[in-house]
Amino acid sequence: GEDVEQSLFLSVREGDSSVINCTYTDSSSTYLYWYKQEPGAGLQLLTYIFSNMDMKQDQRLTVLLNKKDKHLSLRIADTQTGDSAIYFCAEVTSGTYKYIFGTGTRLKVLA
Amino acid sequence: DGGITQSPKYLFRKEGQNVTLSCEQNLNHDAMYWYRQDPGQGLRLIYYSQIVNDFQKGDIAEGYSVSREKKESFPLTVTSAQKNPTAFYLCASSRTRDSYEQYFGPGTRLTVT
Repeated sequence: GEDVEQSLFLSVREGDSSVINCTYTDSSSTYLYWYKQEPGAGLQLLTYIFSNMDMKQDQRLTVLLNKKDKHLSLRIADTQTGDSAIYFCAEVTSGTYKYIFGTGTRLKVLA
Repeated sequence: DGGITQSPKYLFRKEGQNVTLSCEQNLNHDAMYWYRQDPGQGLRLIYYSQIVNDFQKGDIAEGYSVSREKKESFPLTVTSAQKNPTAFYLCASSRTRDSYEQYFGPGTRLTVT
């Protein structure tokens, strides 16, 4: 079945790295996404990775994909208070146009 | 400025009333989507439309209806048949039916009492 799981909360100190984890079950997933949601707002696309890649880096963001274990992670380097938000991972299977979202991880950055 | 607008930001209704949520985009995107977000849960797909005058049910379509008469607009009606309508509703769009990147509006928080 389709399911995407994330831990609900993560707390880090400003300047440290944050690692947000996600596991998925659909082995045919083609694209995997990370979105950020600030309080009371819509979702903002942060980055994405194709299923045939292992890693993608974009400034402070690093996405790692372990396809064998169906594990996706988002690392935020030098975490700032402005990074406090809910982070969602999502998978899309080619041809379905349908996103499966995780439950979201609430990141709290302590000053 | 291109983007997706949803109005109003907050909406209050009495139980038993139908209510329509607005979603407009000026990105020239073909596909549009409606999601529902509840605390501690991921987004759940209500309806989606890949082209004008066509739409499909998502995972939780019961108690909702949509129309897609114009490319720019995809209104969602929450009917009195929806058992638990209080939620945060998000509209999204993507460039084409083959484009997987979705862009989200700011959301409408609906409270039904």
